[in-house]
Amino acid sequence: DSGVTQTPKHLITATGQRVTLRCSPRSGDLSVYWYQQSLDQGLQFLIQYYNGEERAKGNILERFSAQQFPDLHSELNLSSLELGDSALYFCASSFENYGYTFGSGTRLTVV
Amino acid sequence: QQQVKQSPQSLIVQKGGIPIINCAYENTAFDYFPWYQQFPGKGPALLIAIRPDVSEKKEGRFTISFNKSAKQFSLHIMDSQPGDSATYFCAALSGNTPLVFGKGTRLSVIA
Repeated sequence: DSGVTQTPKHLITATGQRVTLRCSPRSGDLSVYWYQQSLDQGLQFLIQYYNGEERAKGNILERFSAQQFPDLHSELNLSSLELGDSALYFCASSFENYGYTFGSGTRLTVV
Repeated sequence: QQQVKQSPQSLIVQKGGIPIINCAYENTAFDYFPWYQQFPGKGPALLIAIRPDVSEKKEGRFTISFNKSAKQFSLHIMDSQPGDSATYFCAALSGNTPLVFGKGTRLSVIA
């Protein structure tokens, strides 16, 4: 157990739907990062939050959004889902900007 | 564009062999270079990391070699075992920018 908790582990949904992925960071970590992992693109950085504020943005689609709550857990919202959004979504946390700890991921399947 | 280029995509070695995975980068501002190990169904786990002020770092059977002038670094696994079969990712970051990953190398160690 890495200390980073992601729920749900698996999600199957239809095109056009909206889903929410949840991440609880490791105790004491202030930063949360979201990554998308697909077979051909590897791990792609989506977005980072630090202590409730957006810190950095990567290749995140406009249909995707995220937030970090006062208790530091984070949610990634994916809307108007397309088949190509099927992927593994990982959350990572860190205290400073080094030494990321990853969760076990959420496998999203869009049908 | 791919900020960290990793090769090979896949690698098969005999037990006891020394697989070598290579990465190259362009951004000279990168100051932290970790390697992550990922098993199927799990999140990436930090294996070993190096800063650019040293040329080599060893932790157990894992060694990072770093060539700052060539902007390259590599992972060597000594006395490889079947349990080392996994996907390995190199990564890099600078200051407050998030980790960027190579596309991964799938390693198979056969007995």
